[in-house]
Amino acid sequence: ELKVEQNPLFLSMQEGKNYTIYCNYSTTSDRLYWYRQDPGKSLESLFVLLSNGAVKQEGRLMASLDTKARLSTLHITAAVHDLSATYFCAVDASGTYKYIFGTGTRLKVLA
Amino acid sequence: GAVVSQHPSWVICKSGTSVKIECRSLDFQATTMFWYRQFPKQSLMLMATSNEGSKATYEQGVEKDKFLINHASLTLSTLTVTSAHPEDSSFYICSAEDSLNSYEQYFGPGTRLTVT
Repeated sequence: ELKVEQNPLFLSMQEGKNYTIYCNYSTTSDRLYWYRQDPGKSLESLFVLLSNGAVKQEGRLMASLDTKARLSTLHITAAVHDLSATYFCAVDASGTYKYIFGTGTRLKVLA
Repeated sequence: GAVVSQHPSWVICKSGTSVKIECRSLDFQATTMFWYRQFPKQSLMLMATSNEGSKATYEQGVEKDKFLINHASLTLSTLTVTSAHPEDSSFYICSAEDSLNSYEQYFGPGTRLTVT
């Protein structure tokens, strides 16, 4: 059974600081996704990572994928308050196109 | 492009009644749609995979007779919560897989169900 774990579960950080959220998964997969969720809302797609070594950046967020280590990271650079949200990674259970979501990381950026 | 809608966005119903939630892909065809449930401050849990023209595939622990799924066209899947109970209160989110670009799912805005 595919398991996806994120850490930390909660993150409170000051504006301007850098931090990394980690996403570990238990079985082989070449597809990993990052989403943002604001309270009471659905998911906003951030990144789609489709191969080993993939790195994508958008604004203050950068995501990478290491399929050999079964690890993805979401790096936050110079955080701002608007980044406060819950971030989920999701892994495509290989060959099934079903997404298994991570536990989520609740990020709060303090002004 | 790649917009998925859900209706209703929120619904309140009484225990014992049934509620139908619609999920539509607005600008693409989706042979496969997925239904998720999310309890407060928790992650999304996949409930079932909805396949156009065939029976849905349910995840372990999800009662297929309680959560009826119908995927009658390439743009519409419905989830009916039958004989709803307060413990069914949750945020239900659907996603649709673009038949032409199967590496990504597109998520609907969600439906908040409250059973009183």
